[in-house]
Amino acid sequence: EIVLMQSPGTLSLSPGERATLSCRASQSVSSSYLAWYQQRPGQAPRLLIYATSSRAAGIPDRFSGSGSGTDFTLTISRLEPEDFAVYYCQQFGSSLTFGGGTKVEIK
Amino acid sequence: QVQLVESGGGLVQPGRSLRLSCAASGFTFSTYAMHWVRQFPGKGLQWVALISYDGANDYYADSVRGRFTISRDNSKNTLYLQMNSLRPDDTAVYYCARGHGGNYFACDLWGQGTLVTVSP
Repeated sequence: EIVLMQSPGTLSLSPGERATLSCRASQSVSSSYLAWYQQRPGQAPRLLIYATSSRAAGIPDRFSGSGSGTDFTLTISRLEPEDFAVYYCQQFGSSLTFGGGTKVEIK
Repeated sequence: QVQLVESGGGLVQPGRSLRLSCAASGFTFSTYAMHWVRQFPGKGLQWVALISYDGANDYYADSVRGRFTISRDNSKNTLYLQMNSLRPDDTAVYYCARGHGGNYFACDLWGQGTLVTVSP
């Protein structure tokens, strides 16, 4: 089973700042099978990015994804108040797994 | 409106069974793969199971294989999760989610979740 390690565990930033979230896989992941989700408190997760860099419908262009092989990144160019949340990466290889999450909190 | 609504959660004793349902509306349910994903209290997400659009193929996480069964009734626009031999570590919020078209592993529509508590 491919394990996804997300870092940092918590990211403390101010609105307007840039956020860079990392997702590292224990084995190579196909770029077609890497996704990112946002989860706000008390809500279900929301798909942000699929296939490493494709934004889901309705997702603002301040969210972008990149990477390949074992290293993937979610970047939020300028944090808006509604972006403070937990973010998960997900992969689909022999099975489907999620990372442990990165919490983006207000500094 | 496009939505998924789970039901069937609750308190159940270890070793017992429970069946979750997920009612889909606002989209052509029969053309989408569907998932169950769970979230342990205060923790992260764990994928549970996936079923193809026509129900012909299903896949499971190792932790539930042999105990849980995913199924669907496309005539009723409903997804199911039959959970047998429940254990305390199955306690979680269970979400149903829609596979994202060709990238069916990604979940682009989620329900609000239903809480399953396994306790004596």
